Formats: sequence, structure tokens, C-alpha cells
Amino acid sequence: GEDVEQSLFLSVREGDSSVINCTYTDSSSTYLYWYKQEPGAGLQLLTYIFSNMDMKQDQRLTVLLNKKDKHLSLRIADTQTGDSAIYFCAERAGGSYIPTFGRGTSLIVHP
Amino acid sequence: GAVVSQHPSRVICKSGTSVKIECRSLDFQATTMFWYRQFPKQSLMLMATSNEGSKATYEQGVEKDKFLINHASLTLSTLTVTSAHPEDSSFYICSAAPQRGAGETQYFGPGTRLLVL
Repeated sequence: GEDVEQSLFLSVREGDSSVINCTYTDSSSTYLYWYKQEPGAGLQLLTYIFSNMDMKQDQRLTVLLNKKDKHLSLRIADTQTGDSAIYFCAERAGGSYIPTFGRGTSLIVHP
Repeated sequence: GAVVSQHPSRVICKSGTSVKIECRSLDFQATTMFWYRQFPKQSLMLMATSNEGSKATYEQGVEKDKFLINHASLTLSTLTVTSAHPEDSSFYICSAAPQRGAGETQYFGPGTRLLVL
């Protein structure tokens, strides 16, 4: 199986909360990232969390990490149409400086 | 701050020709630059890592003679796709890190769409 797995699609109504989930296999992951990619553009780092943290909040974004289950989630509160994009989960093990990316979750926000 | 540009943003070329893609860090010095390839609905595949002034490190399965990488300065890395073929058509994204290795910070360029006819 893949090292970092995400569901491919998520559809939400504008104003609702979105939760994008990610699982990873490397127990030595040190940093876990969420990136946003808008159509035809590169990746924008949204937030990252250290493996010794359970939660990180930044305005509308909340990252939850369950290290025991190797599960990472990104919650976007009050989702807007401008949040429509592909969201990539990535992890980086302590012994490597190269992140491993998931395949991305395409978030579709409809009115 | 931390802007990375790529040029061109889009290129169409004939099969058999070579294409050069530039990646520049505009407001910081990038000790390390990365080149990724992204297929539709797929994740980013790391192709190679380059540190300024040294040879690039290629990932397994990436042909170094086909994808030439030069990182001659702290603000510029180039990827040359030599003798391009239709299967090389893809979205190429570079990223740059201000320190050796990525640390927790890696800034991505906007990508270059390559179409080989």
C-alpha cells in the first residue's frame, strides 16, 4: 500500500466544516504537513505539525494528529468556495528531509 | 516573502526536442532545490534533489541523462528534458529550501505544464 493515503474527493456545502483525513505508515514521522494546490498552480504550505503535538489551530484550520493510529486530519471551518482545491497530506521522517506526499484530496465546495 | 518562480509556465514542443525549465527563488537563497513531476490526479513524485554547487541526486527510476538538472547558483536551478517524448508530458513543479535539506520549510513554484507533441 501507499505510505500516505487520502481519500480522493470530498464535497461540502459552503459554510459547513470540511474534514480531510490522512493516514500514514511511517512511525518515525517527525513533521506532518498539509498543502493546498489550486488549479494549475504549485503547492502552498497551509500548516504543519510536529509529531509530539496532538493539535494545532490556525484561524479556520485545525490539525489533529493521532500518532498511535498514524492518522492526521485537517478541519476547515466555515468552508468557502475559495477553499476548493486539492489538499495534500505529507509526512517527513526524522531521518529524511524529503516529504512523502499523499495523492491529494479534491475538495469541492458547492453553494 | 519566500517566492519561487518557474519559467515557462506552459510549453509545447515537438517530440525529439529539448526543453529547459527554470526555477528561481526570488527573495531568498536556496541551498537545496527539488524537482517534482505530477501526473493528473496523482501525487507529486520527487525526481531529484539538487544542492547548490554539487551534482543532483536522482530518485530511483529517474534517468539522469534525460532529466538534466543544474543548480549553479543559490537562486537558480534548471531542469532540461532532453529529447522529449509524449510520455514526458506532465506538470513539473520545483521547490526550494533555504537550508540544506528541506527542514520544515519548502517553498513551491507554480509549476510548468509540458506538452510534447
